[in-house]
Amino acid sequence: EPEVTQTPSHQVTQMGQEVILRCVPISNHLYFYWYRQILGQKVEFLVSFYNNEISEKSEIFDDQFSVERPDGSNFTLKIRSTKLEDSAMYFCASSEKVRETQYFGPGTRLLVL
Amino acid sequence: GESVGLHLPTLSVQEGDNSIINCAYSNSASDYFIWYKQESGKGPQFIIDIRSNMDKRQGQRVTVLLNKTVKHLSLQIAATQPGDSAVYFCAENRWNSGYALNFGKGTSLLVTP
Repeated sequence: EPEVTQTPSHQVTQMGQEVILRCVPISNHLYFYWYRQILGQKVEFLVSFYNNEISEKSEIFDDQFSVERPDGSNFTLKIRSTKLEDSAMYFCASSEKVRETQYFGPGTRLLVL
Repeated sequence: GESVGLHLPTLSVQEGDNSIINCAYSNSASDYFIWYKQESGKGPQFIIDIRSNMDKRQGQRVTVLLNKTVKHLSLQIAATQPGDSAVYFCAENRWNSGYALNFGKGTSLLVTP
């Protein structure tokens, strides 16, 4: 069964450093998403991406965040200058169509020290 | 404020019993609802979804009920098994916001032998 994959599974970084989280969405899906989950809290929407551009973003997704589809398979989330409060699980998701089932990857646990 | 929320943070059931997990939403624009299961250290796993033109939808051992009048939905799990132990999230999508899933806080289901 096709699934969303994410790398790395864990990332530890120093405050102020840049991190890039990587995702490979399901191959025939056209819509891509990033969510985050701070420990013990609910999953929060960050951004959606379609046709090589951001289609929607939340208030969390400020100027320090960016997304990119550098090739036909990868989808990345970059955090330019990490802050302590960026520590969370980051989930990538994809869907075949808009407002259809979003399938989530296993997540990247980011720890900012 | 607008939210998707769960009535109980934890639910403990005996193996073989039926489980019912509840969720309330407040936004009238919500018209697509999804239940996800999240096991420890993993990403949300799709269970079942329902659109607002339906009141009930059944899957394998799971049923989702939607009451639009009181803005409430529930997930029923028949013959609960130890493997059902996880955190369950309801999420909603709004017709006027095509991309973001808005998640509730989650209910932890513990199945005891």
